[in-house]
Amino acid sequence: GENVEQHPSTLSVQEGDSAVIKCTYSDSASNYFPWYKQELGKGPQLIIDIRSNVGEKKDQRIAVTLNKTAKHFSLHITETQPEDSAVYFCAPREGAGGTSYGKLTFGQGTILTVHP
Amino acid sequence: DTAVSQTPKYLVTQMGNDKSIKCEQNLGHDTMYWYKQDSKKFLKIMFSYNNKELIINETVPNRFSPKSPDKAHLNLHINSLELGDSAVYFCASSLLQGGEAFFGQGTRLTVV
Repeated sequence: GENVEQHPSTLSVQEGDSAVIKCTYSDSASNYFPWYKQELGKGPQLIIDIRSNVGEKKDQRIAVTLNKTAKHFSLHITETQPEDSAVYFCAPREGAGGTSYGKLTFGQGTILTVHP
Repeated sequence: DTAVSQTPKYLVTQMGNDKSIKCEQNLGHDTMYWYKQDSKKFLKIMFSYNNKELIINETVPNRFSPKSPDKAHLNLHINSLELGDSAVYFCASSLLQGGEAFFGQGTRLTVV
């Protein structure tokens, strides 16, 4: 199965600063790399994803970069705002085939706090 | 018109009891999941169903029994509840296995 490591576990920044969260995975056949945001009292929600044929993807203030050789991908948030405060999860999808069904394996989560 | 809805939102019960959590999705997705989130926020898949067929069973104790009467519903029944079962349980669905997952609001289960 997929081993996923996410760092840091907590991240505290001032409003307007940038935040970067890194996710390392083990399955070289992984082909889909999403990031989820979980606000207090809610379920996780997809915020951005990237597929293995792309190195970077941006959506306004958030971006994801992928290094397939090194098997890691990162979430970048620029110009952070207090409403970005939440728990963020990476969830690489393992490659399907054999006994694998291509499930998402969630990282341990990063608690991001943006101070006004 | 909530996409993935689960009930109840909160569940407090005594050890040894049996309880059920219900989940429904109106997105037309083929795949549904149950996840468990512990007190440290660690989110782990328990089960995955594809069009009513069990696809993934992640070494969950057999006190936990999922049931999918149709592809829009996936319920979770738990027998002989233990203190360690206390957690938030999330139902989710996706169009295809391993695709973007849409989560419900969660059910906070507390076993006393």
